[in-house]
Amino acid sequence: DAKTTQPPSMDCAEGRAANLPCNHSTISGNEYVYWYRQIHSQGPQYIIHGLKNNETNEMASLIITEDRKSSTLILPHATLRDTAVYYCIDTCMDSNYQLIWGAGTKLIIKP
Amino acid sequence: DVKVTQSSRYLVKRTGEKVFLECVQDMDHENMFWYRQDPGLGLRLIYFSYDVKMKEKGDIPEGYSVSREKKERFSLILESASTNQTSMYLCASSPPDRDPTGELFFGEGSRLTVL
Repeated sequence: DAKTTQPPSMDCAEGRAANLPCNHSTISGNEYVYWYRQIHSQGPQYIIHGLKNNETNEMASLIITEDRKSSTLILPHATLRDTAVYYCIDTCMDSNYQLIWGAGTKLIIKP
Repeated sequence: DVKVTQSSRYLVKRTGEKVFLECVQDMDHENMFWYRQDPGLGLRLIYFSYDVKMKEKGDIPEGYSVSREKKERFSLILESASTNQTSMYLCASSPPDRDPTGELFFGEGSRLTVL
């Protein structure tokens, strides 16, 4: 079973910031948090990952709480093309390459 | 950019047929993976490989086999297709585990229907 919990769906207005929450209350000290998204009929796409510090790249920002039990993915200016299922995954660095995928959050960007 | 190419986007096969799903990556990645994705079940790992001729079972290897004869190519084989193998199949690759990012690069997927 997935080790993370996400809301099944969210809406966001185009041009606004989309904030996607994730709970990973059982995360271990050496486990990273990864975010992927999957646009309809395509393969998943890596977005960002982090361990304990906040991270930012050209796609998104990742805010991790100090206790590391939850995180938020922020898409600063959502566009219609950001409509997708977003997956939050935690995984141990030395695990057998296994990512445990949950159901994700279906994000719908509305005009 | 990394490109992971899956040979067919859509396939329709009959029960009992042998099915080959091919995947090629162009970034010299050591690790390659085959997943299947079904509604309500998410992505489940079938097999993975971290080197040529190496393979490891994932969560659901039954009914499948794999082949990795060359570093860039990882094939998924259904020896005798069954209707419960109707699914979306996703191939992925990643750099070796010494890279701390460990991000996966996915292909577009192959939607297999077994009649």
